[in-house]
Amino acid sequence: EADIYQTPRYLVIGTGKKITLECSQTMGHDKMYWYQQDPGMELHLIHYSYGVNSTEKGDLSSESTVSRIRTEHFPLTLESARPSHTSQYLCASTQMGQGTEAFFGQGTRLTVV
Amino acid sequence: AQKVTQAQTEISVVEKEDVTLDCVYETRDTTYYLFWYKQPPSGELVFLIRRNSFDEQNEISGRYSWNFQKSTSSFNFTITASQVVDSAVYFCALSEAYGSGNTGKLIFGQGTTLQVKP
Repeated sequence: EADIYQTPRYLVIGTGKKITLECSQTMGHDKMYWYQQDPGMELHLIHYSYGVNSTEKGDLSSESTVSRIRTEHFPLTLESARPSHTSQYLCASTQMGQGTEAFFGQGTRLTVV
Repeated sequence: AQKVTQAQTEISVVEKEDVTLDCVYETRDTTYYLFWYKQPPSGELVFLIRRNSFDEQNEISGRYSWNFQKSTSSFNFTITASQVVDSAVYFCALSEAYGSGNTGKLIFGQGTTLQVKP
């Protein structure tokens, strides 16, 4: 069973609010990722990190930002939420090395009204 | 460019039927990894299998089996004697060793929703 946790599971928030989606893992993994899942189900990488103080943008452009101050923690922040940010956000982590499987959290379903 | 295609958007079967989920991929890397994940209604993605590009041996795990064919760039997934608990969205994914700079990022297919009716 994967030890990666996301909070909150569901969030409904008004336009213009600042939000932070939390992601924590207890497996000591260096690599962490944020994927955005469209209503049509496809997942796209929006941020990743190789380790502490490392953050990179993914393939899908996102207005969100991330930080990695501790190995186990990889929060995602939206400074000003908009309805276009409505989506499911999935956090994942992997061990170092090639082709290692990713462990996923249960996701945060964000709705911006 | 890397790409994963799951042409079947939705599949509906009756319990105990066999079902095959198709996955076709594109990559320029010679070293890559293929994955299948299951996403139940609870939302998390559950890892099912990993295959590297040098291992074309098919694999069977209980009712699940996978057929990897480099010649056709396919990595298909078969569930034998399907059960209602198999109902979920299934994703095929690709990870490149070098083309992506060994980031470990996954390129997902569009997903196939499998509904198994009792």
